[in-house]
Amino acid sequence: SAVISQKPSRDICQRGTSLTIQCQVDSQVTMMFWYRQQPGQSLTLIATANQGSEATYESGFVIDKFPISRPNLTFSTLTVSNMSPEDSSIYLCSVEVGTSGSNEQFFGPGTRLTVL
Amino acid sequence: SQQGEEDPQALSIQEGENATMNCSYKTSINNLQWYRQNSGRGLVHLILIRSNEREKHSGRLRVTLDTSKKSSSLLITASRAADTASYFCATDNFNKFYFGSGTKLNVKP
Repeated sequence: SAVISQKPSRDICQRGTSLTIQCQVDSQVTMMFWYRQQPGQSLTLIATANQGSEATYESGFVIDKFPISRPNLTFSTLTVSNMSPEDSSIYLCSVEVGTSGSNEQFFGPGTRLTVL
Repeated sequence: SQQGEEDPQALSIQEGENATMNCSYKTSINNLQWYRQNSGRGLVHLILIRSNEREKHSGRLRVTLDTSKKSSSLLITASRAADTASYFCATDNFNKFYFGSGTKLNVKP
């Protein structure tokens, strides 16, 4: 298993500003993932972050809006840039643990972002 | 869309009854996982079923997987009020995880 922490747990931000969310894992992991969960919705994968390479973004998400860093095997950040009220969501990081075919995903507690 | 579909979207049952949720997905998968999310809280991993497995049990949970139909079901037996939550399936598409739309389960005491 993996224990994941996120900072901040919640924030209220003004339109046009940026927020960086930190994700810390208690063990070294190859792949980290960032998700967004809009109110009342399911989770949508934003990007996959591997250490030592650029993040891979899903359709509809771009690096300029959601820059990601992955400086080492236990840490990642997601920045939500030039925020608008539509960015109000819960942002979650996750990691994949296990052997091929049986990889389980563990999630951080999430960062609840409200943009005014 | 990334997401698979789940049905029903919402389910309301009495305590002690069984609850069945279904998940359909679009592409080949490595495995499929079910999660629970209590209102406003984090995701809890419930069970993983590999693509070469057809059924799996864990306590009161029973999961089936039909890869020919690209579908899975989660059965919760003898439900309890504490089972009230949203339930999501997630497919492991070989290093990417995509979530279904979720089922909101309400178990009435």
